[in-house]
Amino acid sequence: ILNVEQSPQSLHVQEGDSTNFTCSFPSSNFYALHWYRWETAKSPEALFVMTLNGDEKKKGRISATLNTKEGYSYLYIKGSQPEDSATYLCAHTAAGNKLTFGGGTRVLVKP
Amino acid sequence: DVKVTQSSRYLVKRTGEKVFLECVQDMDHENMFWYRQDPGLGLRLIYFSYDVKMKEKGDIPEGYSVSREKKERFSLILESASTNQTSMYLCASSPGQVTRGYTFGSGTRLTVV
Repeated sequence: ILNVEQSPQSLHVQEGDSTNFTCSFPSSNFYALHWYRWETAKSPEALFVMTLNGDEKKKGRISATLNTKEGYSYLYIKGSQPEDSATYLCAHTAAGNKLTFGGGTRVLVKP
Repeated sequence: DVKVTQSSRYLVKRTGEKVFLECVQDMDHENMFWYRQDPGLGLRLIYFSYDVKMKEKGDIPEGYSVSREKKERFSLILESASTNQTSMYLCASSPGQVTRGYTFGSGTRLTVV
């Protein structure tokens, strides 16, 4: 059983539309929350690492927010493009350097 | 450009074979990890290592062992491959602080027949 849950598992987005999806994690003993983008046939690539409640991070059209008290993070994609098609993974760590990953949200942007 | 290199992209092995998956990083990272990825199950941690000759069990270590004789190299060993070990295997490394992201290899898709 994953204690890091991502929803939805997959979503289709029309090019130009904005979208968002969720990562929930245990709120107790929180240390850091990571987001990765994993394109087909490539390595997962780190997007954000967030540690503080209320953190907001942005990279181009992609941004993320963090609520450690209630145990969730949102990832937003503004004006989706076909190159945004990928699986987005979140991962949580309570201590040490070991990450626990969610199952991922697979995003397909349709032209 | 920093890299984590996995020795094989695709591998086909027979049931009962001893299988070695190699991972090398050139970033002088302390931490190295082996994950497997299966549909619907996300990335699951098999083993990890915080330093040379150190190893820790992850969430699913059964049927696997690891070796870290040098800082840059972390090997995953399937002692006697079974069909339920058919999977995508990902190696990753990270520096000491957990606030730095992982760098992943490109993965090895292992099929056990």
